[in-house]
Amino acid sequence: EAGVAQSPRYKIIEKRQSVAFWCNPISGHATLYWYQQILGQGPKLLIQFQNNGVVDDSQLPKDRFSAERLKGVDSTLKIQPAKLEDSAVYLCASSLVVAVNTEAFFGQGTRLTVV
Amino acid sequence: AQSVTQLDSQVPVFEEAPVELRCNYSSSVSVYLFWYVQYPNQGLQLLLKYLSGSTLVKGINGFEAEFNKSQTSVHLRKPSVHISDTAEYFCAVLVDTGFQKLVFGTGTRLLVSP
Repeated sequence: EAGVAQSPRYKIIEKRQSVAFWCNPISGHATLYWYQQILGQGPKLLIQFQNNGVVDDSQLPKDRFSAERLKGVDSTLKIQPAKLEDSAVYLCASSLVVAVNTEAFFGQGTRLTVV
Repeated sequence: AQSVTQLDSQVPVFEEAPVELRCNYSSSVSVYLFWYVQYPNQGLQLLLKYLSGSTLVKGINGFEAEFNKSQTSVHLRKPSVHISDTAEYFCAVLVDTGFQKLVFGTGTRLLVSP
């Protein structure tokens, strides 16, 4: 079974530029998550989708971050414009459903460096 | 608010020694707790989860965790570590506020040396 795919693996941009990350979840997984992991911290949930609808985006900085999952499958996370403090690893995860006994599977992440 | 605290940012240990990684949580409702491992340049992998029932939970790779409700802790243990266990370990609690999401601790880096 293929895992969660993310691209690119690494990205370096200058501040005020824009960047986009792509995630393809495991086939059949209805729930998709985007996490931000800043160096030395645990992952923080940015946004959660159930199929193509947003369940939780309370910690997404909506003035600069946006995410979509138009067909309920793959998803794109965008930052525009980027700030230095956006430097982090962006992790995508997916699960069959949202339930306590359902495991979330994580991709390898995209490491973003803003200079 | 529900949260987790990992007390040690880094734990150095020699190969074949036992190890304990500490995690305390705060919660006023039902508790669902998880331990994840992150190897260098990899995503997170589920080690084990505590949902209910026995307070001793066995996970993958020889790890286990003991849930202690009175101390609000779920410490991760392994009786004998390997070099390959060197990784970052995250404790997480499932928060349910109408929808469910994982809240992670800051992580503990386990460094196993020969």
